[in-house]
Amino acid sequence: EVQLLESGGGLVQPGGSLRLSCAASGFGFTSYAMTWVRQAPGKGLEWLSAISPSGNSRYHADSVKGRFTISRDNSKNTLYLQMNSLRAEDTAVYYCAKNLAEGQPAYDYWGQGTLVTVSS
Amino acid sequence: EIVLTQSPGTLPLSPGERATLSCRASQSVSGSYLAWYQQRPGQAPRLLIYGASSRAIGIPDRFSGSGSGTDFTLTISRLEPEDFAVYYCQQYGSSPPLTFGQGTRLEIK
Repeated sequence: EVQLLESGGGLVQPGGSLRLSCAASGFGFTSYAMTWVRQAPGKGLEWLSAISPSGNSRYHADSVKGRFTISRDNSKNTLYLQMNSLRAEDTAVYYCAKNLAEGQPAYDYWGQGTLVTVSS
Repeated sequence: EIVLTQSPGTLPLSPGERATLSCRASQSVSGSYLAWYQQRPGQAPRLLIYGASSRAIGIPDRFSGSGSGTDFTLTISRLEPEDFAVYYCQQYGSSPPLTFGQGTRLEIK
């Protein structure tokens, strides 16, 4: 059974940092691109960052470019999102998601989400 | 960046009725690389349709997707009580960002 388990969310002050983790199991993690998507309270879905299976290619939305960094440790089957210089507008539930297949970056499995609250 | 506009914003229908949800792109979506997701309150999104018309594993056949270019449709043939949720389209035919629509809320009439 495919499982994605996010952790690392919480309350942080503006300007602070957090690192989110997504522990993957039940599939060949090293063969799939992975993605982070967030959802602000009461709002829609926002694509944030994606990383290739090897980790050599990374993409970030303009809204987080230069502040957030996606990475992965294939030896630990874990995806990360390092978030720096956090702002109030980064408050959201953050989901990790598995790509459906090579060349098909639709997301067939999602984690349960972890809440990040940026507030003083 | 491709902008996706979903309509209507809210769709009030009754169980057993047919639902038709629209997703329009600001430019052509390459390869019909468009997906639909369902999100129930308090849950993560669930993939329904990918490649504009292919059902994901385990999705009932009352859900169908169609369209190409800039106009796409999700149809639910006969609504079940569990289908009342928010639906998002997403395009993945262009270079990142891989954008989502703003969502359509399907509510019980």
